[in-house]
Amino acid sequence: GAGVSQSPSNKVTEKGKDVELRCDPISGHTALYWYRQRLGQGLEFLIYFQGNSAPDKSGLPSDRFSAERTGESVSTLTIQRTQQEDSAVYLCASSLEFGYTFGSGTRLTVV
Amino acid sequence: GQNIDQPTEMTATEGAIVQINCTYQTSGFNGLFWYQQHAGEAPTFLSYNVLDGLEEKGRFSSFLSRSKGYSYLLLKELQMKDSASYLCAVRGGYQKVTFGTGTKLQVIP
Repeated sequence: GAGVSQSPSNKVTEKGKDVELRCDPISGHTALYWYRQRLGQGLEFLIYFQGNSAPDKSGLPSDRFSAERTGESVSTLTIQRTQQEDSAVYLCASSLEFGYTFGSGTRLTVV
Repeated sequence: GQNIDQPTEMTATEGAIVQINCTYQTSGFNGLFWYQQHAGEAPTFLSYNVLDGLEEKGRFSSFLSRSKGYSYLLLKELQMKDSASYLCAVRGGYQKVTFGTGTKLQVIP
């Protein structure tokens, strides 16, 4: 597609429930990143996929967080047993070489 | 690991020039980015530096000194719409991109 697409744009969930966030990168982009941004704060790196290489998961805050990507296509970020501290905007970005393009994000609210 | 520092907030006057600094310490270096983020929106790409020197793009310029681990973003002829957060990001070894916490710029009349 023309840009990076994320869904849902907004998600409200009850504490303890699992959520799945989706990112459709720009076609042909080999690199895909997930970031978390809490209100008024900077971007916190979560995970990075590059082609078929093993992902860099060093930013995942706990084992409740996981992400998958099939080849160079869609990625899903799953948060299990959500906590209120997980409330944030989750941003996905993709890139071919440089000049990363961000999606509009998923605003997650855990109540 | 990677450490990126930039001022938290800055205020400048419409029509003026403002310089936003960024210092970094990284394991490996494969380029430095500046992004603009308006409140409630996703970041948008402004500039990319991989070699030392100044890159100019209209009212915006970005400078890099790899030996000093230092970059700045220069905004000229400030407009009210330039009020936003400006994020410095470094691509280190293994192509991982790490963002600073951003500088919130307020442009006043």
